[in-house]
Amino acid sequence: GQQLNQSPQSMFIQEGEDVSMNCTSSSIFNTWLWYKQDPGEGPVLLIALYKAGELTSNGRLTAQFGITRKDSFLNISASIPSDVGIYFCAGLTATGANNLFFGTGTRLTVIP
Amino acid sequence: EPEVTQTPSHQVTQMGQEVILRCVPISNHLYFYWYRQILGQKVEFLVSFYNNEISEKSEIFDDQFSVERPDGSNFTLKIRSTKLEDSAMYFCASSRDYQETQYFGPGTRLLVL
Repeated sequence: GQQLNQSPQSMFIQEGEDVSMNCTSSSIFNTWLWYKQDPGEGPVLLIALYKAGELTSNGRLTAQFGITRKDSFLNISASIPSDVGIYFCAGLTATGANNLFFGTGTRLTVIP
Repeated sequence: EPEVTQTPSHQVTQMGQEVILRCVPISNHLYFYWYRQILGQKVEFLVSFYNNEISEKSEIFDDQFSVERPDGSNFTLKIRSTKLEDSAMYFCASSRDYQETQYFGPGTRLLVL
């Protein structure tokens, strides 16, 4: 299947700091989605991106759909303790397949 | 806000037993999906379902698996004869249309002993 490489794998940051994580692929995607997963729960949608170059915000979160359509990044500003969790990128490929390919995840720890 | 719901939240079963995992997708959504996540790993696609038939499936979705929409609201995943390696979180998801945003349920944690 498609490989989505997410980096970094994990991050430890102080409360109030900004966070940046990204996702890259060798394939072209039509849609990029960012999800957050808390332990033992399902992925919760944070941001959806549908067009190359699109920059979208959701509160303190900002995500961009890369111009090449092979990457995306997520930024979190002024982190708070409840931002702790695993962040996954996921994409729908340009092949037209309707299944999401997930990244390997970024585990975020926020130190109060 | 409409949500995808799943039951049960946890299921423990003996190897070789059949299990049925249940989902209620968001009511005006047309596409339904099952994904699984082995502990500590990424989420993997199993199958998608549209118009009462499977539209796509992965290599993981072998003959031991089946899906069904038995009525107007439920969407089920059946594993006929569970194996130890079927232990995972199983997530149901739904989307309003083709290649649109997928919304996930809270998952069923399946443990096969």
